[in-house]
Amino acid sequence: QQQVKQSPQSLIVQKGGIPIINCAYENTAFDYFPWYQQFPGKGPALLIAIRPDVSEKKEGRFTISFNKSAKQFSLHIMDSQPGDSATYFCAASEAGTALIFGKGTTLSVSS
Amino acid sequence: DTGVSQNPRHKITKRGQNVTFRCDPISEHNRLYWYRQTLGQGPEFLTYFQNEAQLEKSRLLSDRFSAERPKGSFSTLEIQRTEQGDSAMYLCASTAGGQQPQHFGDGTRLSIL
Repeated sequence: QQQVKQSPQSLIVQKGGIPIINCAYENTAFDYFPWYQQFPGKGPALLIAIRPDVSEKKEGRFTISFNKSAKQFSLHIMDSQPGDSATYFCAASEAGTALIFGKGTTLSVSS
Repeated sequence: DTGVSQNPRHKITKRGQNVTFRCDPISEHNRLYWYRQTLGQGPEFLTYFQNEAQLEKSRLLSDRFSAERPKGSFSTLEIQRTEQGDSAMYLCASTAGGQQPQHFGDGTRLSIL
């Protein structure tokens, strides 16, 4: 049973566009929702994270929107750049335990 | 570099051999996690330590896998009698506490011939 479902699997946008990646979770005990960015041959790097008492969080060009009642959260990348081309993972955890990851979204930003 | 360090970066071995990977967490981080990532998938949890105590193990961690964290500093992950299905990227992450962000190393890629 997949506890965190991520979509789409891949995404292509033009430079300056706003890609949106969505995740849905099942476990209502999850209390921490991070997004990671991963480049080929590298480990995941933390981008931004949110807790369920907040509906939106912005850090630079990255924004998380969180809908607790729908058990969904999404990542928006403003003014996307070719350097943002990478694989993005959403994740969730409960009380600081192991992260449960989505399957990832491969983003390509064309110039 | 004060990030999470993993060695070796790449390990190639024959099926049936034993392999050991090392993870050096960020200094002062008391929690250390091991994950496995196969191609096209997100990382999957294997096990984690708080200081030297191994607090949780995933069902993915078969009896051929063992992890240690002596003295609560670096950690090792050993796989005995490797199988083709063990081919993956093995990632280590550390955090300063249960509610703090997990920071990942660049992993060890295991290839089984």
